[in-house]
Amino acid sequence: AQRVTQPEKLLSVFKGAPVELKCNYSYSGSPELFWYVQYSRQRLQLLLRHISRESIKGFTADLNKGETSFHLKKPFAQEEDSAMYYCAPYPTNTGNQFYFGTGTSLTVIP
Amino acid sequence: DAGITQSPRYKITETGRQVTLMCHQTWSHSYMFWYRQDLGHGLRLIYYSAAADITDKGEVPDGYVVSRSKTENFPLTLESATRSQTSVYFCASSESGQSSYGYTFGSGTRLTVV
Repeated sequence: AQRVTQPEKLLSVFKGAPVELKCNYSYSGSPELFWYVQYSRQRLQLLLRHISRESIKGFTADLNKGETSFHLKKPFAQEEDSAMYYCAPYPTNTGNQFYFGTGTSLTVIP
Repeated sequence: DAGITQSPRYKITETGRQVTLMCHQTWSHSYMFWYRQDLGHGLRLIYYSAAADITDKGEVPDGYVVSRSKTENFPLTLESATRSQTSVYFCASSESGQSSYGYTFGSGTRLTVV
């Protein structure tokens, strides 16, 4: 089964500083990964899909097959980026792969 | 994203009571999921359903029951609530089991068991 690990439960950065939220995966094959964001007391929403190679709200994420990572990055953090971030594999019914990482709570300090 | 709604938003119940959390989606997504969100544990899958009348266990199914008689509804029942089931519960849907669009989530139900 596809599994992801988010090693940092809490992360604090100052406004304007670069931010990197780590996500590592541990499975073979061609991974499909997403980042979800949850702002305070709101529903989770899809932030990025790696297959789209998109940049949303200044965030990017590159799949690094050598390091088996899919880290989320932003060059200049903003206060409104404070939220809970989850890494998750592409939902697939092969091996019941509907599991999320444990999440990283990002706080951007003014 | 009003296409997936959860009710109630907040619920306080007593230990031992049965409580049902409702989830309704209007997209005819085949897959639906229930997760619980707890500090330090992130999102944990309770149950999921691939289609009407097809359900399967996730990581933490004990103490919960689900049903899916209609595609659009996926209620979650706590048969005899315990304090450890105090949590925020999220329902989600996905158009298929192989979806490049990921999950769509409801707003959550904050359940407190006293």
